[in-house]
Amino acid sequence: AQTVTQSQPEMSVQEAETVTLSCTYDTSESDYYLFWYKQPPSRQMILVIRQEAYKQQNATENRFSVNFQKAAKSFSLKISDSQLGDAAMYFCAYQYNNNDMRFGAGTRLTVKP
Amino acid sequence: EPEVTQTPSHQVTQMGQEVILRCVPISNHLYFYWYRQILGQKVEFLVSFYNNEISEKSEIFDDQFSVERPDGSNFTLKIRSTKLEDSAMYFCATVASGGAGETQYFGPGTRLLVL
Repeated sequence: AQTVTQSQPEMSVQEAETVTLSCTYDTSESDYYLFWYKQPPSRQMILVIRQEAYKQQNATENRFSVNFQKAAKSFSLKISDSQLGDAAMYFCAYQYNNNDMRFGAGTRLTVKP
Repeated sequence: EPEVTQTPSHQVTQMGQEVILRCVPISNHLYFYWYRQILGQKVEFLVSFYNNEISEKSEIFDDQFSVERPDGSNFTLKIRSTKLEDSAMYFCATVASGGAGETQYFGPGTRLLVL
């Protein structure tokens, strides 16, 4: 069974600094998709970034980038130049084909001014 | 930008009552999902729906739950006889064509409280 593990329940970062959120997963598949979703206090989940497992190049989206290590089954999210609006729960998620998305337990990110 | 909408935003019900949660998908999206998130816990998959049929369901989605798309637009989740442990946030998500790895667009959720 595919599982997603986020080992950091909470993280804190100073405004304008960089923070990395960890995610590992377990799968026997070779072709799959990984996502980071942000859930602010309003509770609507918003896609931050997406990575296709067959692509070696790490995905980037403005201040957000990932470090995808397929062999290690690791998919960390780096947030550069952190802003107060980045404060939220961040969920790592795995999807194989068009099947259901499996989420990690989440990391609560606090941004200190 | 098109959004997934859900109603109601909050629902309080008595144990044993039926509830219907509604979702309006993004226009032309074909795949629909329901997830739930018990307070403080991870988001869990309930069911996926395509072409007026359930595609996949989790072990959580037992006989108390049902889904349908009654009028071709709304996508509903019905809980027939609610239990205390059904208290959670319920999210609807939709996907354009269901291709592998497509982004799922989430609605704002319905917070269900069962007393």
